[in-house]
Amino acid sequence: QVHLVQSGAEVRKPGASVKVSCTTSGYTFTNYCLHWVRQAPGHGLEWMGIINPRGGTVINAQKFHDRLTVTRDTSTRTVYMELSSLRSEDTAVYYCARDYSAGRWSYYLGSWGQGSLVTVSS
Amino acid sequence: EIVLTQSPATLSLSPGERATLSCRASQSISNSLAWYQQKPGQAPRLLIYDASYRATGIPPRFSGSGSGTDFTLTIGSLEPEDFALYYCQQRSDPVTFGQGTRLE
Repeated sequence: QVHLVQSGAEVRKPGASVKVSCTTSGYTFTNYCLHWVRQAPGHGLEWMGIINPRGGTVINAQKFHDRLTVTRDTSTRTVYMELSSLRSEDTAVYYCARDYSAGRWSYYLGSWGQGSLVTVSS
Repeated sequence: EIVLTQSPATLSLSPGERATLSCRASQSISNSLAWYQQKPGQAPRLLIYDASYRATGIPPRFSGSGSGTDFTLTIGSLEPEDFALYYCQQRSDPVTFGQGTRLE
């Protein structure tokens, strides 16, 4: 059974950085890309980026291009999302989600983590 | 960026009724559209991909249709657990989501 387990809630001050982890199990880690999506309180969904765990290739949404770093550790089957220069508008639940298709980038989000709340407040 | 506009914002129905949710894209996206269901406090769940294909484990009462700019999610006969938020999503660069339809 596919599981994506994310790290816990974080509180940061404006200007700081946050790193959220997503540890996977139940499938071949390098066969599926992983996405990051966020959801601000009471708002809709916003796609942030995607990583191919096989080679580490990353594509980030232009909006986050200079603040977002997505990495992976194949030995622990874990993907990381680091967002820097945080501002209050970055307060959101951050989700990792596995691409629906094996071996290609379908950009459909099949299995999701439970979400990690990041609060940015002075 | 492709904008997805969902309608209505809120849909009020009863169990057993048929639900029809709409999603319109600001430009043609062929059939590159998905639908998700989200319940309070939970992550979204993929229902439909490529406009009309049910994801694994999704009951047949959920169906999707459309291509180009106009898409529809139909729930044939509402079950109590179907009352939730529904989002559409397109996969051109960048990926974008609609603002959601609340089914109550």
